[in-house]
Order: sequence, then structure tokens, then C-alpha cells
Amino acid sequence: GAVVSQHPSWVICKSGTSVKIECRSLDFQATTMFWYRQFPKQSLMLMATSNEGSKATYEQGVEKDKFLINHASLTLSTLTVTSAHPEDSSFYICSATPTTRSYEQYFGPGTRLTVT
Amino acid sequence: QKEVEQNSGPLSVPEGAIASLNCTYSDRGSQSFFWYRQYSGKSPELIMSIYSNGDKEDGRFTAQLNKASQYVSLLIRDSQPSDSATYLCAVLNSGGYQKVTFGTGTKLQVIP
Repeated sequence: GAVVSQHPSWVICKSGTSVKIECRSLDFQATTMFWYRQFPKQSLMLMATSNEGSKATYEQGVEKDKFLINHASLTLSTLTVTSAHPEDSSFYICSATPTTRSYEQYFGPGTRLTVT
Repeated sequence: QKEVEQNSGPLSVPEGAIASLNCTYSDRGSQSFFWYRQYSGKSPELIMSIYSNGDKEDGRFTAQLNKASQYVSLLIRDSQPSDSATYLCAVLNSGGYQKVTFGTGTKLQVIP
């Protein structure tokens, strides 16, 4: 149980384009979903927290107009990287907390974004 | 600033030995603690959660919590080469919002 999927698993895009990443909880409803970014050999960096039907809460230093988060249902959240630049290339990982076990975060497999 | 500290390692242990991973945290009000395993190039996987002082065992894994000392540890018995990964300690922040602070992780190498 507690499976989270992400799509796509990897994507290459040109500078200036936008990329949408989907995060789905497959076998549970998620109270909250989180979006992280991880650069090579570094720890997870929380970008934003989203609750279904509410605006996302962004961490300090994360541009909300650049990283658009939509949490349309209890099983789906999306992250759109707008006007991507090479410095946005990273490993983006979502996590979700089940409504029944709201302290535990279960991670998706991640999306590797490369901006050329 | 809530902090979670781990030794980055690498921690090298021979196959079959006990691996001991340690973590300290600064948020005295924290009540929930987690250990994640992350293989290179993959996302973290939850392996243990612990909420009360003492030990919690699950298979070859034992999590230990001492809230007074603000200390969490993970023991891996009969270590296997497949246990080689980075282990992340995570602490649920007090004050609500369900945010978790992650340590930078300890890299474990199990030598065959």
C-alpha cells in the first residue's frame, strides 16, 4: 500500500518552455502533497506544500509564479515549471501523506528534468 | 531554524555486521520521527517510523528514540550489500503544517 506515482519519469525540454509533472497517490487519498527538489549529492529541498482545493504554500526562495502547483483532488497534484532554464534541471520528487496516517510521507519515484 | 544532523559518512560495515546510524534534532517539540532509505538516483523509501521513546523493531531494522537527548538511531542487523544506500533521518516539525525536516543523510556501504 501507499504507492505514489509520478509522470513523466524523465523529461528533456528546451529553455523557455514549460513542463508539467503529475503526482498521483494510487491506493490512498492524500491529505497533503509535497514537492521537493534534489540536486546531485545534496539533500531534499522542500519547495511547497499543497492541500486539496487550497493554494500551495511555498518555501522561502521558491518562486510561486515559476513553479505552479495545482492540487485538484485527493489523489492528484501537478507541478508546472514555467519558462524553464538550465538551472531548473534537477530531480523533482513529490510525496503524499495518507488521510489515515497523516504523519507519514510516501514518495513518488521522481522526475528527472533536463533543460537544454 | 529546525535542524536535523547526521554524519554524512560513508559508514562502511562488513556483510553480516550491525550498522548503526545516528541522528540528532533541534526541535524539542517534535513527536514523530522517520528513517528513509534512498538508493542512488532514486527517491526516498520510508522504512521506519517511531513516535515513542525506546526501541521499535521491524525485521532487521530497529529504530531507537530518546526524546530527552533529542536523538534517533537506526540499527540494521545482518547487513547486506543491498542495504548500501543513503539513509535519511526525518523529523516532523512541531507546530502543525505536517512539514518534515530531513537530514542530509548517511551513506552506508556494506562490504561483501
